[in-house]
Amino acid sequence: EAGVAQSPRYKIIEKRQSVAFWCNPISGHATLYWYQQILGQGPKLLIQFQNNGVVDDSQLPKDRFSAERLKGVDSTLKIQPAKLEDSAVYLCASSLLLGSAYEQYFGPGTRLTVT
Amino acid sequence: GENVEQHPSTLSVQEGDSAVIKCTYSDSASNYFPWYKQELGKRPQLIIDIRSNVGEKKDQRIAVTLNKTAKHFSLHITETQPEDSAVYFCAPSVGGYNKLIFGAGTRLAVHP
Repeated sequence: EAGVAQSPRYKIIEKRQSVAFWCNPISGHATLYWYQQILGQGPKLLIQFQNNGVVDDSQLPKDRFSAERLKGVDSTLKIQPAKLEDSAVYLCASSLLLGSAYEQYFGPGTRLTVT
Repeated sequence: GENVEQHPSTLSVQEGDSAVIKCTYSDSASNYFPWYKQELGKRPQLIIDIRSNVGEKKDQRIAVTLNKTAKHFSLHITETQPEDSAVYFCAPSVGGYNKLIFGAGTRLAVHP
């Protein structure tokens, strides 16, 4: 079974620029998550989708971050404009069902550096 | 909000020793308790999980124990090997939508 795919793997941008990340979850997984992992910390959930609807975005900085999951499969996460503190690894994960204790499978992540 | 704490933050053991990492959480409604392992530069990977109707689960050298009354669960690794060196995260669920709150991590170093 193919895993969670993410691109790009690395991105370097200047502050105030914009950037977008892409995620393709495991086939058949209804739930998709975007996490931010700052160096030395645990992953922090930014947004959670069930199919193409948002379940939780309480920790998404909505003034600069946006995410969508059209057609309930692929997802994109955008940052506009970026700040220095956005430097982190952005992890996408997917799981089989919502509302059940199912394993979350992580993608390889996108390492963002904002200079 | 939800609070998750892991102890210790770093742990150094000799190969063959046991290692124990403890995770405390604040949400009494949590019902899913996974442990993830993250090697340097790699993605987090689930190594063991337990649900609230079970007190202990074991998988070869790895075990997890849960005390719901005290709101803590622990990861036990026996006969540690150098390849066990990594950062370990607990991530108890909150709410009803499989939302995980990750701890700050425990860096385990196993010395040959």
